[in-house]
Amino acid sequence: DVKVTQSSRYLVKRTGEKVFLECVQDMDHENMFWYRQDPGLGLRLIYFSYDVKMKEKGDIPEGYSVSREKKERFSLILESASTNQTSMYLCASSLGGTEAYEQYFGPGTRLTVT
Amino acid sequence: GQNIDQPTEMTATEGAIVQINCTYQTSGFNGLFWYQQHAGEAPTFLSYNVLDGLEEKGRFSSFLSRSKGYSYLLLKELQMKDSASYLCAVKDSNYQLIWGAGTKLIIKP
Repeated sequence: DVKVTQSSRYLVKRTGEKVFLECVQDMDHENMFWYRQDPGLGLRLIYFSYDVKMKEKGDIPEGYSVSREKKERFSLILESASTNQTSMYLCASSLGGTEAYEQYFGPGTRLTVT
Repeated sequence: GQNIDQPTEMTATEGAIVQINCTYQTSGFNGLFWYQQHAGEAPTFLSYNVLDGLEEKGRFSSFLSRSKGYSYLLLKELQMKDSASYLCAVKDSNYQLIWGAGTKLIIKP
């Protein structure tokens, strides 16, 4: 079974702090994604990566950066956390290529910025 | 713009059948996914449609009409554990997933 793990289930940070969210997948997937999920809104893509050291902006990249130094690990960084970044953050992975492979999700990190 | 529409919330009775609709307007189409998400948990894959017609998988079926930009998820013999949100997502011409806001399904005994 594909397993996607995220470093924390719950996180509370103060405004202005630098925040690191880690995601690891164990199925050798090429693609990895970071989403945020807010009530009443669909999943919104922050960043994605198709390969090691490769990253692409999603729909809402402002205030975030990412790092993919190893194939299995994709990190989301909030350079200076703000209250409007309070949200559920979901990491996902999938096989690569142009086939429409399903995405496998981690359990999510509920981040609160105070 | 790209848009996925689903009802916000639906209520159904245990043992009954419910149909959750999804309409989409996207730049291109490379498949439609349905995911289930229980409260506080990650979404899990349910079904994938790329050709018109019905795909059946146990108690769950998914239908697609590309010409109408329309899909539905049909859940039969509803169980209490089916209480969850159901997310519709379309892969566009760039193979990016566009997500609907989800339909919260409440099952009553």
